[in-house]
Amino acid sequence: AQKVTQAQTEISVVEKEDVTLDCVYETRDTTYYLFWYKQPPSGELVFLIRRNSFDEQNEISGRYSWNFQKSTSSFNFTITASQVVDSAVYFCALSPGSSGYNKLIFGAGTRLAVHP
Amino acid sequence: GAVVSQHPSWVICKSGTSVKIECRSLDFQATTMFWYRQFPKQSLMLMATSNEGSKATYEQGVEKDKFLINHASLTLSTLTVTSAHPEDSSFYICSARDRNNEQFFGPGTRLTVL
Repeated sequence: AQKVTQAQTEISVVEKEDVTLDCVYETRDTTYYLFWYKQPPSGELVFLIRRNSFDEQNEISGRYSWNFQKSTSSFNFTITASQVVDSAVYFCALSPGSSGYNKLIFGAGTRLAVHP
Repeated sequence: GAVVSQHPSWVICKSGTSVKIECRSLDFQATTMFWYRQFPKQSLMLMATSNEGSKATYEQGVEKDKFLINHASLTLSTLTVTSAHPEDSSFYICSARDRNNEQFFGPGTRLTVL
């Protein structure tokens, strides 16, 4: 089965707190891509990162960082020193190689609320 | 990054009418485009894959006669919701894939059927 699980439905933090959004995926494919997207209230999806299954290096981009661990099938996303503008729904997604990278299988999303 | 547009951004229609939504890749050619549906506070679900010059491939449970997809050119795909009913009210999002297999999403179309 191909599946993405984001167990945290909603997270509420106060500005400047660090927050980690969890993502666990299931696939039998050996090649796949993993993604994170941000969806602000406007609805437009904002691309954050794409990670190839062969690249387990963690990545940092400003206040954002990602921890990819194949051993636990997890691709967690951490926001450091959160800001009110980070408030949005965040989706983790899987693109299996067996689909020709055609399909994007989305998790249920985590709604992050950052309060001043 | 590449830009994908959708038109209209929102539409309100009466039950029983048909609504056409356009998805355009503005600065690249897309042989493949995708249509997703997102109900309020839910995730995005792939409806169909649209290939230029051929029939769309629909996901299980999606009625192809209700959701007509046409991909007549390398920069345009259209989704027509035929005989729309209130349960079709949703946020419809398209994406276009470039030659590097990256998908770029449109801003979405919010459909409300009265």
